[in-house]
Amino acid sequence: EIVLTQSPGTLSLSPGERATLSCRASQSVISSYLAWYQQKPGQAPRLLIYGATSRATGIPDRFSGSGSGTDFTLTISRLEPEDFAVYYCQQYGSSLTFGPGTKVDIK
Amino acid sequence: QVQLVQSGAEVKKPGASVKVSCKASGYTFTSYYMHWVRQAPGQGLEWMGVINPSGGSATYAQKFQGRVTMTRDTSTSTVYMDLSSLRSEDTAVYYCARGGIAVAGNQDYWGQGTLVTVSS
Repeated sequence: EIVLTQSPGTLSLSPGERATLSCRASQSVISSYLAWYQQKPGQAPRLLIYGATSRATGIPDRFSGSGSGTDFTLTISRLEPEDFAVYYCQQYGSSLTFGPGTKVDIK
Repeated sequence: QVQLVQSGAEVKKPGASVKVSCKASGYTFTSYYMHWVRQAPGQGLEWMGVINPSGGSATYAQKFQGRVTMTRDTSTSTVYMDLSSLRSEDTAVYYCARGGIAVAGNQDYWGQGTLVTVSS
């Protein structure tokens, strides 16, 4: 099973700042089948990025994904108030696993 | 528009079974895989398995093998997740989520979630 590790566990930032979230896999992710989800309290997760770099429908361009192999990054270029949430990475190339999540909270 | 509507909250005793439904609309039901993901209170997301509504075949996460069964009814565009031998650690919100077309894939639409509480 591919294990995903996310860092940091919590990221404290102010609106307007840049957020950089990391996701590392225990082995190479097949075909860059790596996705990122955003989850707010009491809500279902929302797909942000798939295929490591492609934005899902309706996702603002301040969200971007990069990486390949075992190292992936989600970048939020300028944090908006609605972006404070928990972010999960997921690999779906070999079975399916989620990372433990990174909480982005207001500094 | 794509919608996934799940059944309501359940309270079960340890050892019992629960069956959660997920009714799909707004797309061709048999063209997309359907996943089940759960989330214990205050915890992260855990993948349980995926079903191909076209043929009905399902793949389960190893952790749930032997305890979970995923089925579908094409006449009502509904998928079901049946979890047996419930224990307190199964208390969680259970989500269905639409997957890909040719492969299980990522999940682009999610149901609203169903809270299952296991308590004596």
